[in-house]
Amino acid sequence: LAKTTQPISMDSYEGQEVNITCSHNNIATNDYITWYQQFPSQGPRFIIQGYKTKVTNEVASLFIPADRKSSTLSLPRVSLSDTAVYYCLVGDIARGKLIFGQGTELSVKP
Amino acid sequence: NAGVTQTPKFRVLKTGQSMTLLCAQDMNHEYMYWYRQDPGMGLRLIHYSVGEGTTAKGEVPDGYNVSRLKKQNFLLGLESAAPSQTSVYFCASSYAGKDTQYFGPGTRLTVL
Repeated sequence: LAKTTQPISMDSYEGQEVNITCSHNNIATNDYITWYQQFPSQGPRFIIQGYKTKVTNEVASLFIPADRKSSTLSLPRVSLSDTAVYYCLVGDIARGKLIFGQGTELSVKP
Repeated sequence: NAGVTQTPKFRVLKTGQSMTLLCAQDMNHEYMYWYRQDPGMGLRLIHYSVGEGTTAKGEVPDGYNVSRLKKQNFLLGLESAAPSQTSVYFCASSYAGKDTQYFGPGTRLTVL
């Protein structure tokens, strides 16, 4: 059974780099890896998506090793406003499978 | 441009009652999704649609039905609500299957 596993919580301080790793041992060939951010009482919001190697955008980087069994979301120089729950999503809707991790609650302290 | 909207925002039902949750998107997206979110379990896919008139089962479809009669709307129905269906329900849409999903604000449903 496909499973996506993340740490339940992480703490950081303002200005630090935060790395959140997601484990997805049963990832299928065509599955993509996507990360979302969620604030209380809101729907998740897209951060970044990748298939392999490294992807970078204006807010984050995503590192995916060659075997694709894990992925790491990197948030550079976090601020208090980055306090949120971060979810990794693995799957391919073409085969009807979209599996979210349990979410990582990131707390950024001053 | 409202994005994805959900109606209602909150609802309390008694066991056995029925209700319909409405999701609407104004981005001309082909794909639409219904998820439920429970503490410690992330989001789980209930049903999804890859276009007007089509629906398919996700990970946890039992107890729910859906319809996509118009491209912009995706309805989630509970025919006979059970306490196990107490959850926060999110609708999302995307242009294509691998594209970014845009989520609505959620509906908090309590079944007593």
